[in-house]
Amino acid sequence: DQQVKQNSPSLSVQEGRISILNCDYTNSMFDYFLWYKKYPAEGPTFLISISSIKDKNEDGRFTVFLNKSAKHLSLHIVPSQPGDSAVYFCAASASRGTNAGKSTFGDGTTLTVKP
Amino acid sequence: GAGVSQSPSNKVTEKGKDVELRCDPISGHTALYWYRQSLGQGLEFLIYFQGNSAPDKSGLPSDRFSAERTGGSVSTLTIQRTQQEDSAVYLCASRRAGFFNEQYFGPGTRLTVT
Repeated sequence: DQQVKQNSPSLSVQEGRISILNCDYTNSMFDYFLWYKKYPAEGPTFLISISSIKDKNEDGRFTVFLNKSAKHLSLHIVPSQPGDSAVYFCAASASRGTNAGKSTFGDGTTLTVKP
Repeated sequence: GAGVSQSPSNKVTEKGKDVELRCDPISGHTALYWYRQSLGQGLEFLIYFQGNSAPDKSGLPSDRFSAERTGGSVSTLTIQRTQQEDSAVYLCASRRAGFFNEQYFGPGTRLTVT
């Protein structure tokens, strides 16, 4: 049973447009969500996060939205740039319970931004 | 400052051999994680160390896999009697104390079992 799902394996957008990456989760114990970006042959790097007490967090061109009732979060990148082309992983963590501190990752979405 | 480092960067081994993968976390980070990424797949959790607590080994795929973290710092992931399905990139990450912090990943070790 996959607790964190990224249903779109890939996404292609034009430079300057908005990229929207989606993530769904099933475990109601998750209360902290993160997005990581990964270039080939490198480890993932942290991009942006959101706590379950918020529904939006913005950092420059990146905004993460959280809909707790739908157990859904999304990452918006605007405007998209060719350098944003990478694999984006959604991750969810719980601060309490037996799995506290452990992150569960989705399978990733490969974003391609075309010049 | 220095990030998470892993060694070797690449390892080719014959089926049935044992391998050791090393992770040097960021100094002062209390949590350390190992993940595996097979070709075209996501990040598969393997094991999690948090301070002096017993590690969470729930992701280890078989008893051929083990890991230790000495002195709360360096960690070694050992795979005994390697199989071809063990071929993957093994990623290590560390995190500061506090659950609401991000993980910092190393560059990974690409393991190929022939």
